[in-house]
Amino acid sequence: GAVVSQHPSRVICKSGTSVKIECRSLDFQATTMFWYRQFPKQSLMLMATSNEGSKATYEQGVEKDKFLINHASLTLSTLTVTSAHPEDSSFYICSARDLRDGDGNEQFFGPGTRLTVL
Amino acid sequence: GENVEQHPSTLSVQEGDSAVIKCTYSDSASNYFPWYKQELGKRPQLIIDIRSNVGEKKDQRIAVTLNKTAKHFSLHITETQPEDSAVYFCAASIVPYDMRFGAGTRLTVKP
Repeated sequence: GAVVSQHPSRVICKSGTSVKIECRSLDFQATTMFWYRQFPKQSLMLMATSNEGSKATYEQGVEKDKFLINHASLTLSTLTVTSAHPEDSSFYICSARDLRDGDGNEQFFGPGTRLTVL
Repeated sequence: GENVEQHPSTLSVQEGDSAVIKCTYSDSASNYFPWYKQELGKRPQLIIDIRSNVGEKKDQRIAVTLNKTAKHFSLHITETQPEDSAVYFCAASIVPYDMRFGAGTRLTVKP
């Protein structure tokens, strides 16, 4: 159990276009999901916390109008990179906590989405 | 906010030797400390974790120790094997909130 999927796994787009990435918890419900960005040979940097039914909480320095997050259900959060530019090229990973886990310790990660903006 | 520092950034050991990676954290309220192994282009995989009410945890060749007073925790891998080669990340979290990662350690185990 506790499987998180992401779609697409890889996307290449032209500069100026928008890209939507989906994060799904397949066998559990998650009121909170997290979005990370990872540049080559670097660590995972938290971008935002996605809360079901409410606005996302963004980390300092992350533009909320550029990285739109929607968490419409307990199993789906989406990240839309608007007007993407080459510097947005990165590995985007989501994670979620399983509410069934009594103390909700572990975060389960999606497989990631490799975004390349030309 | 929480700040996690991780050392060393790279570590090379001979097969069979032990490897130790150390992390410090800044927020004394953090209560959950996982360690992840990440291979190139893949998701982080949890290898071991520890809660703040425990000082040490072991799972076969892997162990984690936590010193709450000093706010540091360490990953110990014994009898290293080439397949242990990967990037390892420590993290600190105040459950059930967000998690902050260390910068990562690239471990290379030479046959």
